[in-house]
Amino acid sequence: AQSVAQPEDQVNVAEGNPLTVKCTYSVSGNPYLFWYVQYPNRGLQFLLKYITGDNLVKGSYGFEAEFNKSQTSFHLKKPSALVSDSALYFCAVRDNNNDMRFGAGTRLTVKP
Amino acid sequence: NAGVTQTPKFQVLKTGQSMTLQCAQDMNHNSMYWYRQDPGMGLRLIYYSASEGTTDKGEVPNGYNVSRLNKREFSLRLESAAPSQTSVYFCASSVEERGTDTQYFGPGTRLTVL
Repeated sequence: AQSVAQPEDQVNVAEGNPLTVKCTYSVSGNPYLFWYVQYPNRGLQFLLKYITGDNLVKGSYGFEAEFNKSQTSFHLKKPSALVSDSALYFCAVRDNNNDMRFGAGTRLTVKP
Repeated sequence: NAGVTQTPKFQVLKTGQSMTLQCAQDMNHNSMYWYRQDPGMGLRLIYYSASEGTTDKGEVPNGYNVSRLNKREFSLRLESAAPSQTSVYFCASSVEERGTDTQYFGPGTRLTVL
């Protein structure tokens, strides 16, 4: 079965600095990769996804993610972090079946 | 559009009690899902329904049952609640966009089993 690893429980960055939240995946066949964000006491919100095509995927709120097939990674990035970006971020992978697996989540804290 | 709605928002049960978590979506999506979220474990799929009238087990189905009442509604039932089922439960629905399903989530139900 497919799986996702988010190696960092916590990422801290200063406002205005670039941020990266890491994700690696394992799947047989072509991967469908997703990033979701969860604010306190809320459901998950879709940020972006990779299906095929360009390795750099642009999503909501200025986020983007880079797909790297050789490293089986799909890291989430933003050039300039905002305090309001502080949240829990989940990476997910889906194979050709209707079964999506989520990572354990990474808590991003952006300090003013 | 309200999107995906869930009721109740919070619930406390005693061990052995039963309850049903309700989920509805008004986006005309075919597929619906139930997940549980536990600290340090991300989201784990309990059951999903690819279309009205069909349901399938996910990663952690034991102790749960589901009903896809119609296209809009997908309920999750705990017949005899256990403390291990203390969790936050999320319902989601999905639509195919650009070649794959994208899931949209409800606000969650926080369940405590004493």
